[in-house]
Amino acid sequence: GNSVTQMEGPVTLSEEAFLTINCTYTATGYPSLFWYVQYPGEGLQLLLKATKADDKGSNKGFEATYRKETTSFHLEKGSVQVSDSAVYFCARNQAGTALIFGKGTTLSVSS
Amino acid sequence: EAGVAQSPRYKIIEKRQSVAFWCNPISGHATLYWYQQILGQGPKLLIQFQNNGVVDDSQLPKDRFSAERLKGVDSTLKIQPAKLEDSAVYLCASSLLDNSPLHFGNGTRLTVT
Repeated sequence: GNSVTQMEGPVTLSEEAFLTINCTYTATGYPSLFWYVQYPGEGLQLLLKATKADDKGSNKGFEATYRKETTSFHLEKGSVQVSDSAVYFCARNQAGTALIFGKGTTLSVSS
Repeated sequence: EAGVAQSPRYKIIEKRQSVAFWCNPISGHATLYWYQQILGQGPKLLIQFQNNGVVDDSQLPKDRFSAERLKGVDSTLKIQPAKLEDSAVYLCASSLLDNSPLHFGNGTRLTVT
């Protein structure tokens, strides 16, 4: 089927630690891939996206590379901050369809 | 630009009652989506509109849920009658085109007791 699978949380890190949140997808064809973030008390916001294989999306120090060979779109950040504490959602779409989301990964960063 | 507006922000009802949610998308956005986000899960698409026509409502429980987008702008989502398992955050999103990034509202948190 068409789905998005992301690593279970919560992920608990100290400030300045390296972050990886794994995401894999199944789809027919070549979807666009997204990471959305939901900060406490706020709505979902687009963090970054990639529309074709080998594209790298980046924003606010976060990066993710569209890997067709492994059907993955892992989110990374070299040095997390307390303000990065949020729920992160991996998602995919294809032309003519809406977004399909993973279950979300909660990140908690302590100082 | 103004974001996607949703109201109310919170709603508490008893099971078997009815409830309605309202969404005003970003001006000019042709595509509007309603998602249901149950606690601990990712958002699940309920219905997608393109202007005032339905593109996808395959996951909408049509025996109790209904949605409309008159005049291709604002939209309402209704649940009648509500069940306990309908407790969730209902998110509205809009996009300029079918394949462009979605912009989400802050959602309506529904609690059914």
